Amino acid sequence: EVHLVESGGGLVQPGGSLTLSCAASGFTLSWYWMSWVRQAPGKGLEWVADIKQNGSEKYYVDSVKGRFTISGDSAKNSLFLQMNSLRAEDTAVYYCVRRSLGKWAVARFDYWGQGTLVTVSS
Amino acid sequence: DIQLTQSPSSLSASVGDRVTITCRAGQSISIYLNWYQQKPGKAPKLLISGTSTLQSGVPSRFSGSGSGTEFTLTISSLQPEDFATYYCQQSYTFATFGGGTKVEIK
Repeated sequence: EVHLVESGGGLVQPGGSLTLSCAASGFTLSWYWMSWVRQAPGKGLEWVADIKQNGSEKYYVDSVKGRFTISGDSAKNSLFLQMNSLRAEDTAVYYCVRRSLGKWAVARFDYWGQGTLVTVSS
Repeated sequence: DIQLTQSPSSLSASVGDRVTITCRAGQSISIYLNWYQQKPGKAPKLLISGTSTLQSGVPSRFSGSGSGTEFTLTISSLQPEDFATYYCQQSYTFATFGGGTKVEIK
């Protein structure tokens, strides 16, 4: 059974850094594209970053480019999100998500972790 | 960026009602459109991918249709467990989500 468990969230001051981790089980993480998706309190969903199998390609939403770095560790079957220069608007629940291809090769987010809350505040 | 506009943003309905949610894309996205259900305090759950493919375990009262720029999610007979927020998401270019539609009890 597929499980994704995030950790590392918490309270951080503006301008600070935080690293989120996601432990995967039930599948081999390096065989899939993986993503981070966030949700600000009371708001909708926002895609944050993608990493291709084996980390050969990485993509980010414009608002986090240059500040966030997505990475994976195949030995630990884990995904990470290094977040620097954090801003109040980065406050959100961050979800670790598996991306897979369905019928007609349409990419979809098929498994989600429970999320970890990041609060950026002084 | 490809924008997705969902309507309505919220609706009130009764058990047994037929509910339709619309998602409009800012440009053609072919069939690269997925639907998710989210309940309070929980992670989103994939319901439909590729516009109309129902995920395993999802009740057949859910259906999706459309192509290009206009898509719909239909719940044929609303059940108590269907009260939730629904999001569309495009995977034509990276990923963007619609603003969500909250389905509330009338």
